Amino acid sequence: QPVLTQPPSSSASPGESARLTCTLPSDINVGSYNIYWYQQKPGSPPRYLLYYYSDSDKGQGSGVPSRFSGSKDASANTGILLISGLQSEDEADYYCMIWPSNAWVFGGGTKLTVL
Amino acid sequence: EVQLVESGGGLVQPGGSLRLSCAASGFTFSSYWMSWVRQAPGKGLEWVANIKQDGSEKYYVDSVKGRFTISRDNAKNSLYLQMNSLRAEDTAVYYCARDLQAAAGTRDDAFDIWGQGTMVTVSS
Repeated sequence: QPVLTQPPSSSASPGESARLTCTLPSDINVGSYNIYWYQQKPGSPPRYLLYYYSDSDKGQGSGVPSRFSGSKDASANTGILLISGLQSEDEADYYCMIWPSNAWVFGGGTKLTVL
Repeated sequence: EVQLVESGGGLVQPGGSLRLSCAASGFTFSSYWMSWVRQAPGKGLEWVANIKQDGSEKYYVDSVKGRFTISRDNAKNSLYLQMNSLRAEDTAVYYCARDLQAAAGTRDDAFDIWGQGTMVTVSS
């Protein structure tokens, strides 16, 4: 299965924005896939945040604030989760996921610290 | 309330077997693909297997092919994972999750509902 690359850690201050990335291998075009994002806090199951294919094809999880949004950077073959107006409760692990071919694949996760 | 509840985890010796169950409620179980996802202690998420609404298609991560079998009983709103020839590296919390609906006119939300997980420990 292909590897989705996420930075192990990221940090930002309350009120700022955090931009979390998920880089696909070069043989998989980010433009062809839904990118899914999940949040996980210690001791809890993951929480579904959203999926993003394009600006006209995307979905927000139930109860997920609009300050969580998705996008893509085609030039970098990367999916992006943008969290605006950071709050202390956003401190968590974040995972991306795609279905490239007959298997779901998760990224390794990014630990977001809200300073 | 939409809910998934796993059961069946525990301590098993290497080479042993275990059967996990996941009871679904609050939604039309038979309308969704379903998945198992695991998380080793201190590690990230790893998808294990999924199954189509009618059980006609099943997919597995390479590391469990030939050892694990996913199944479902739509009449009982239940998902199962039969795990054989267990190894130490199978030690993890196992979650069931609601996968895609994958029907015309539906959104592509996936893994939008998760259970609380059941711990599987493979050790002698």
